[in-house]
Amino acid sequence: KAGVTQTPRYLIKTRGQQVTLSCSPISGHRSVSWYQQTPGQGLQFLFEYFSETQRNKGNFPGRFSGRQFSNSRSEMNVSTLELGDSALYLCASSLVGTQYFGPGTRLTVL
Amino acid sequence: AQTVTQSQPEMSVQEAETVTLSCTYDTSENNYYLFWYKQPPSRQMILVIRQEAYKQQNATENRFSVNFQKAAKSFSLKISDSQLGDTAMYFCAFMKPIYNQGGKLIFGQGTELSVKP
Repeated sequence: KAGVTQTPRYLIKTRGQQVTLSCSPISGHRSVSWYQQTPGQGLQFLFEYFSETQRNKGNFPGRFSGRQFSNSRSEMNVSTLELGDSALYLCASSLVGTQYFGPGTRLTVL
Repeated sequence: AQTVTQSQPEMSVQEAETVTLSCTYDTSENNYYLFWYKQPPSRQMILVIRQEAYKQQNATENRFSVNFQKAAKSFSLKISDSQLGDTAMYFCAFMKPIYNQGGKLIFGQGTELSVKP
């Protein structure tokens, strides 16, 4: 069974731009969660989607948003990028409690 | 709010020896999951082991085992017969499950483990 996939793997943007990251979960998994990983703040929860509904949200500004499609694929969007948004963005899918992670998208904001 | 603390930022171990990574957590919940994930230099987050709080028996996965002390809110990871491929950042994580699906993982700060030949 294929694992969690994330696209793109690397992204370079400039301040003020917006970006969309994509995540395809493991087949049959209906829950998708997103995390931000930075050297300073560590791993922080962004949001979780289940059956196209946001079920849980972390403490991030409204510039961070997401959605989930009927096939469970998920996207997250960051608008008006700031230098501090540079991070590794990890997506995880789950079936029964355990989350399995994708390889991440490395976002660099210049 | 739940918190997870890993008090050892870095550790090293000789190949073939045993090492124990520490983790403590704080919660008022009775039903929850605890995990250890490893993140090698590739940055891929890999599940190592999972423990359900209602289970008294400590989880084991081959060379990896945990010592789960619910009353003390302690969850340590023991790696036996360490291998060079075990070199990675190890994260302890807590999750309160939602309807047995997904949930929000709360991570510790991580312990960077180096296995030396």
